[in-house]
Amino acid sequence: DAGVTQSPTHLIKTRGQQVTLRCSPKSGHDTVSWYQQALGQGPQFIFQYYEEEERQRGNFPDRFSGHQFPNYSSELNVNALWLGDSALYLCASSHRRGLDEQYFGPGTRLTVT
Amino acid sequence: LAKTTQPISMDSYEGQEVNITCSHNNIATNDYITWYQQFPSQGPRFIIQGYKTKVTNEVASLFIPADRKSSTLSLPRVSLSDTAVYYCLVPSYSGAGSYQLTFGKGTKLSVIP
Repeated sequence: DAGVTQSPTHLIKTRGQQVTLRCSPKSGHDTVSWYQQALGQGPQFIFQYYEEEERQRGNFPDRFSGHQFPNYSSELNVNALWLGDSALYLCASSHRRGLDEQYFGPGTRLTVT
Repeated sequence: LAKTTQPISMDSYEGQEVNITCSHNNIATNDYITWYQQFPSQGPRFIIQGYKTKVTNEVASLFIPADRKSSTLSLPRVSLSDTAVYYCLVPSYSGAGSYQLTFGKGTKLSVIP
């Protein structure tokens, strides 16, 4: 079992650009949650996908959007990048809409210049 | 919204027992309390989850008093490899079934030889 995988590992973008990050959940998991973690801070909840729909959302603007595919994999899209979007983006998969144990991927390090 | 509060940092010598307490005054009746460990540049890793009284697994124990407004993670006989940031996680509800899964700032544990 490969666990949760994320791609790419690192990414450098320019202000105003758009970015797509990808996540494959652990086998058997149906729920994917995305988090943003700035340096020295705890992970901040962006949103959660279950049954291909966004079910829960944190305090993030509409520039942050996502998608879940029938195989439970997921994408996080960020439009009109700001310098402040530079962070580690973590994907976590779970059962029961994230209220059970979450398995985290290694993250994608996004740098906006 | 539920908010968690933990000590920012703790130091311990190798071989000692470490107790990290998290307060969560607004925890919902049916929610579990979950603890995670995070090493630098990695995603958080599940440690333990509990609802009430005491839960123990191979790496830690979790103590939850009757009022469930706090919880204590206990790490027996810590080693240098336990140096990490520890987070407690409690869902934060905002009404109509909506919730967020937001980590607090965490407790940075430093184990000293």
